[in-house]
Amino acid sequence: AQKVTQAQTEISVVEKEDVTLDCVYETRDTTYYLFWYKQPPSGELVFLIRRNSFDEQNEISGRYSWNFQKSTSSFNFTITASQVVDSAVYFCALSEVPTAGNNRKLIWGLGTSLAVNP
Amino acid sequence: ETGVTQTPRHLVMGMTNKKSLKCEQHLGHNAMYWYKQSAKKPLELMFVYSLEERVENNSVPSRFSPECPNSSHLFLHLHTLQPEDSALYLCASSQDYWRGQIYEQYFGPGTRLTVT
Repeated sequence: AQKVTQAQTEISVVEKEDVTLDCVYETRDTTYYLFWYKQPPSGELVFLIRRNSFDEQNEISGRYSWNFQKSTSSFNFTITASQVVDSAVYFCALSEVPTAGNNRKLIWGLGTSLAVNP
Repeated sequence: ETGVTQTPRHLVMGMTNKKSLKCEQHLGHNAMYWYKQSAKKPLELMFVYSLEERVENNSVPSRFSPECPNSSHLFLHLHTLQPEDSALYLCASSQDYWRGQIYEQYFGPGTRLTVT
């Protein structure tokens, strides 16, 4: 069965520290997508990145970077030089590309609550 | 207004009340979703609409009744809820919804529902 594990429930760092949020997934499919979303205190989930299983290149977007390792089934997210505004809950999600007759679903992790303190 | 909006932001209702949650998306998307977010549980997909047609109904109790009058608006009608239905209800939209493509979803801020 598909599963997403975010083992870190809460992380607390001091501003300007680097922080890595772990995401480990399980799937029997060879074709799938991985996502990261951010949920600030205001409530809405904000899309950060989508990665398909055939693209193992790491991605960098400003202070954010993602490390996709198929060999360890991990899709980790690093924030460099963290800021107070990065405080939020971060969710990792997995979606399979469906076979005929199936509707795809997003399988969500439980989230990691990140607190960045001044 | 931009993005996805939801009203009300907070709602307290008794178990015998009837209320509705409203969602509106200003992104020109064709698909809309209702999710339930409870503490210590993964996000639960409740309903999906694509071009105003319901395409997913994930074993949601009948006390939750969705309505999608057009591709920009989505409602969740609530009646005779239970205390365990207290949660954050999130609406989302995506460009489309069909097999073979995975689209990122854009979320509203949610309605915090408390059932007393």
